Amino acid sequence: NAGVMQNPRHLVRRRGQEARLRCSPMKGHSHVYWYRQLPEEGLKFMVYLQKENIIDESGMPKERFSAEFPKEGPSILRIQQVVRGDSAAYFCASSPQSYEQYFGPGTRLLVL
Amino acid sequence: GENVEQHPSTLSVQEGDSAVIKCTYSDSASNYFPWYKQELGKGPQLIIDIRSNVGEKKDQRIAVTLNKTAKHFSLHITETQPEDSAVYFCAANTLGGGADGLTFGKGTHLIIQP
Repeated sequence: NAGVMQNPRHLVRRRGQEARLRCSPMKGHSHVYWYRQLPEEGLKFMVYLQKENIIDESGMPKERFSAEFPKEGPSILRIQQVVRGDSAAYFCASSPQSYEQYFGPGTRLLVL
Repeated sequence: GENVEQHPSTLSVQEGDSAVIKCTYSDSASNYFPWYKQELGKGPQLIIDIRSNVGEKKDQRIAVTLNKTAKHFSLHITETQPEDSAVYFCAANTLGGGADGLTFGKGTHLIIQP
């Protein structure tokens, strides 16, 4: 059973560009979570989604950030007009129910 | 909202000795407490978790204890080995509370000295 998959693993963007991060949950998992990790920091919750629904986006910045988990395909975290402060590791986790969360390898975003 | 404090930030122990990492939480409604191990360049790996209806859980060399009254929980690793070297994170959340994002501590760098 393949684990949580994220791509790309590394992403470089210039200020003002858009970043799209993808997450494919483990087979059979319908709950997806996105977290952001700054250097030497713990993970910060951003958003929790189930298929086609955003359940909790209390950790997501109000502007430039959006997330979706369509009926078909991976979950997408989208950052518009990136700024240097968006540079971080972004992790996706999935869960078969609202319980244990299994993390992917992350996407390291660098904004130049 | 929930706040999780973790200490120490760095812990160095001799191979074979035990390591203990401690966390406190603020929200008495929290009822689920997982621990994650993160190696350099990788995602966090769930190593053990505990729910608030039990006080202790053990899995081979790893154990977790929970004191609900004091709102703290601890990770215990016995007979440490070089491959235990990593960053360990504690976390807390409230299952069934509608908002199921984990609140993490800031992590402990565990260094196993050969």
